[in-house]
This record gives sequence, C-alpha cells and structure tokens, in this order.
Amino acid sequence: DQQVKQNSPSLSVQEGRISILNCDYTNSMFDYFLWYKKYPAEGPTFLISISSIKDKNEDGRFTVFLNKSAKHLSLHIVPSQPGDSAVYFCAASALSNNDMRFGAGTRLTVKP
Amino acid sequence: DAGVIQSPRHEVTEMGQEVTLRCKPISGHDYLFWYRQTMMRGLELLIYFNNNVPIDDSGMPEDRFSAKMPNASFSTLKIQPSEPRDSAVYFCASSLGTGREQYFGPGTRLTVT
Repeated sequence: DQQVKQNSPSLSVQEGRISILNCDYTNSMFDYFLWYKKYPAEGPTFLISISSIKDKNEDGRFTVFLNKSAKHLSLHIVPSQPGDSAVYFCAASALSNNDMRFGAGTRLTVKP
Repeated sequence: DAGVIQSPRHEVTEMGQEVTLRCKPISGHDYLFWYRQTMMRGLELLIYFNNNVPIDDSGMPEDRFSAKMPNASFSTLKIQPSEPRDSAVYFCASSLGTGREQYFGPGTRLTVT
C-alpha cells in the first residue's frame, strides 16, 4: 500500500537550473510532510518539512510546496548544484501516530 | 553527539543463518524506528518503539523477523532464518517525542546468499 508515491525514479538537470521533485500522497490524514536527502552509503538526512497548515516553506535554495486539494507536494531546488546529486525521499506523517511513510525516492543528478 | 550508530555496516551471510543487526539511538530520543530499503519498495517501516516499547510492528514481513529494545540505548533486529530476499539495506532511526524529524543511522547492508 503505497501511500506516498514518487513517480519519477530519476531526474537529470543542468547546474544552475531548477530541479523540481514531485510527490503524491493518498492518505488525507497526513498533516506533516518532509523531504530527506540520501547520499550513497549514508542514511537519509532531513532536508526540509512543511505542515499542512502551510502551502509553502523555504530554506535557502530549497522550497517545498504543498497542494492539499491535489494531495501533492514538490521540492524545488534553485539553483541546482552538482553537490545536490543524491536520492531524495518524500515522507508524510499524521498527528495521530508517529508512523512516517516514505516514497520510493527520486535520484537527482545535477550535471556541471 | 555521535548520531545514530548501526552495526555492522555490512553483513554477508548464507541462507538459513541467523542475522542480528544493532542500533544505538541518539541519547535522549524516545522513538526508535527500523526501516528496510529495497530498489522495488523504497524505504519501508518495519517496526517502531516508544520508550523501549514496540508500538507498531505491522511492517515486519514475517515471523522470521523480530526486534527488541531492552533499554533506551540499544535495539536489535533479528532475522532467523535468513533468506536471499532479505537482502537489503536496513536503517535505524530515532526521534525526540512525536517530533517529525527522524535521524537515521548509516544503515547495514545485508546480503544473504
């Protein structure tokens, strides 16, 4: 039961351009959404999050947008840098429990 | 803080053998999670503990899998007997309270031949 879906397994962008990673969810109880970044041979690390009471959260080059009606969120990275090349996981959780669901991940490659 | 510590980092074993993965969460964190990462299914939650008590183990694939948390600073995930389809990277993560941000360990890459 994939409650969080990342339909693009990979994305390639040129350095300096915008990277847009997408995520869809099915459970309307989810009220908190996160993005994690993972480098090879390391565990995922927290990148940015957003609560369902907001529709945008920005942190430097990273912005997460939430569209509750569409059950969709996206991560924008601008400008993209080669060091951003990693696998990005979308995650969602509900206030009622601490069960966090992850998407399958999107591998981002930023070319110099 | 050293972060979440997992051992071993790599484990290669033969089918039928018992495998034990270990995790030390961040000191003070009261939630501990075990995940499995595969190419097909991404990151799957196996089980999580709150204050050393298992809360939800619905993600544990089979009875061959078991997890314990005897104290606040240590948890194990055991597979007995192991099978080739158990090959994956297993992550442990911890968090503080119902805090949403989880801190992951580096993972254990398990290969069952």
